Amino acid sequence: EAQVTQNPRYLITVTGKKLTVTCSQNMNHEYMSWYRQDPGLGLRQIYYSMNVEVTDKGDVPEGYKVSRKEKRNFPLILESPSPNQTSLYFCASSEDRDGEKLFFGSGTQLSVL
Amino acid sequence: SQQGEEDPQALSIQEGENATMNCSYKTSINNLQWYRQNSGRGLVHLILIRSNEREKHSGRLRVTLDTSKKSSSLLITASRAADTASYFCATDAWYGNKLVFGAGTILRVKS
Repeated sequence: EAQVTQNPRYLITVTGKKLTVTCSQNMNHEYMSWYRQDPGLGLRQIYYSMNVEVTDKGDVPEGYKVSRKEKRNFPLILESPSPNQTSLYFCASSEDRDGEKLFFGSGTQLSVL
Repeated sequence: SQQGEEDPQALSIQEGENATMNCSYKTSINNLQWYRQNSGRGLVHLILIRSNEREKHSGRLRVTLDTSKKSSSLLITASRAADTASYFCATDAWYGNKLVFGAGTILRVKS
């Protein structure tokens, strides 16, 4: 089954404790992206990647890192999480390098205390 | 900054009625997409319309695009309770590979 898999589904952590949210897709897609969703603000793009070893900033990259060492994986790293990073995070992928017709993961609800 | 903005913010209708949601955007685009989200889950792609298209259909969905007014509408005909969800428009700004989402319209279909 074609899918984008994110882990974990829920995560509670404390300020400053490094964490990684994993994302993997099994569709051989070139384009992958991370979004955060906050009430009233819709989805905002954090980082995107058009291919292996190619990543670029979205609209809200501060406080986040990503890597794309393999085509299928695109982890999101929070080196020193802060409470304003409490949010619902989504990973998405697309076979089109322009990000058309995104396939989304089920989301990761992150709470930073 | 948000590229697309949906209107209304929330819509409540009876099953069988039609639902219309609107999206306005600010800059030139290559295409506009509509997505559905059920209760905090991942978004699901519904339909894509390109800047040189004016109308597109997919099942009970009809999307229009007016590039002169920088606006799009999504019509769901003969709505069902299962259509209850949030609906988002997303635009790709001409300047890059970013896809920018609006804040969404919450649709509730009462049975």
